[in-house]
Amino acid sequence: SDELTQDPAVSVALGQTVRITCQGDSLKYHFAAWFQQKPGQAPSLILYDRDERPSGVPDRFSGSRSGNTASLIITGAQAEDEADYHCGSRDTSNNHAIFGGGTKLTVL
Amino acid sequence: QVQVQESGPGLVKPSETLSLTCNVSGGDINNYHWSWIRQTPGKGLEWIGYIYSGGTTHYNPSLKSRLTLSADPSTNQLSLRLTSVTAADSAFYYCARDRLPHLVLYAFDVWGQGTMVTVSS
Repeated sequence: SDELTQDPAVSVALGQTVRITCQGDSLKYHFAAWFQQKPGQAPSLILYDRDERPSGVPDRFSGSRSGNTASLIITGAQAEDEADYHCGSRDTSNNHAIFGGGTKLTVL
Repeated sequence: QVQVQESGPGLVKPSETLSLTCNVSGGDINNYHWSWIRQTPGKGLEWIGYIYSGGTTHYNPSLKSRLTLSADPSTNQLSLRLTSVTAADSAFYYCARDRLPHLVLYAFDVWGQGTMVTVSS
């Protein structure tokens, strides 16, 4: 079955831009969804269909895809963006949901 | 606004059956795909399976032999049953709704707060 790979940890200086990546063969055929999870909270959908944001998600969050890699881009990172970020997609063989291992973002 | 609340026993003995409930308020469970997702503390997310109106289900192959998902539209409640549990089943269990009705997108826009399950004797 397919797998999604994320860097375990990424850091960014306050106000700078950061890219969080998610790699996997399924991303050649399916868009990724991105979820933000703060300590003690449930995940929250922040991006879907590559670059669509649910209502209420700041426009500093954007997405892109190239080949087998999906990216979550935060332009002008804020202190409140410090969280775990999980990518999700679907397995091409079994059509079930798969997730990356998550990336812990630290805002310095 | 749709709200979701998971509930369960908290502690289950090895080899026994785990049963969880997800109560949905502020919206109808019909016409949406509802997934169960679990997370070991400090680790990534694992999709367990989904249930759709009328009882259509799709399970993670790794859990399929032990898993049953069900839904009761009359009470707006979803249920998970996992048999023969081991310590590896200890996790936070979440109930989550897919973003659009009728479609399987795996873009979950409504989540409960989750319920922690520990498997231990």
